[in-house]
Amino acid sequence: ELKVEQNPLFLSMQEGKNYTIYCNYSTTSDRLYWYRQDPGKSLESLFVLLSNGAVKQEGRLMASLDTKARLSTLHITAAVHDLSATYFCAAASGAGSYQLTFGKGTKLSVIP
Amino acid sequence: GAGVSQSPRYKVAKRGQDVALRCDPISGHVSLFWYQQALGQGPEFLTYFQNEAQLDKSGLPSDRFFAERPEGSVSTLKIQRTQQEDSAVYLCASSLLRGRYEQYFGPGTRLTVT
Repeated sequence: ELKVEQNPLFLSMQEGKNYTIYCNYSTTSDRLYWYRQDPGKSLESLFVLLSNGAVKQEGRLMASLDTKARLSTLHITAAVHDLSATYFCAAASGAGSYQLTFGKGTKLSVIP
Repeated sequence: GAGVSQSPRYKVAKRGQDVALRCDPISGHVSLFWYQQALGQGPEFLTYFQNEAQLDKSGLPSDRFFAERPEGSVSTLKIQRTQQEDSAVYLCASSLLRGRYEQYFGPGTRLTVT
């Protein structure tokens, strides 16, 4: 059974600082997703990572995937208040790799 | 273009009542998924449709939960004899082709069972 663990679960950081959120998954998975969720809203897709060594960047966010270590990271550069949200990683599993298993989420608060 | 829509957005049910939650996927999307998100948790997979066929219902927590997609577009998640532990946000997602493609999520239905 695929399990996904994120850490930290809560993160308070000052504007302008850098930080990394970690996502470990327990069994082989061929796709790793990062989503953002604002309070009371649905999930917004940020990144889909498909292969070992994949790195994707969008603005102040950069995601990477190491399939050998079963680890993905979401790096935040020079945080701004607008990045405050809950970030989820999810790994694909199932015979057709369609079933997403999510981590518990990292609640990020960026403080001025 | 229009995204995934769900209705109602909020539903309050008394314990023992039946509820029906609706999902309108993105037009033309073949695959449809239901997830349950408890407060403070990540979404958990419930069931998967490819067109009108329900290919996986392994995540449905009990036989009180039933999902259908009779014409391969709109889907309904029905919960019979609701219990307090059913209180959660129910998310619907769709993807263009078979399930290996990116899933687009709807806004969810927040169900509160009193």
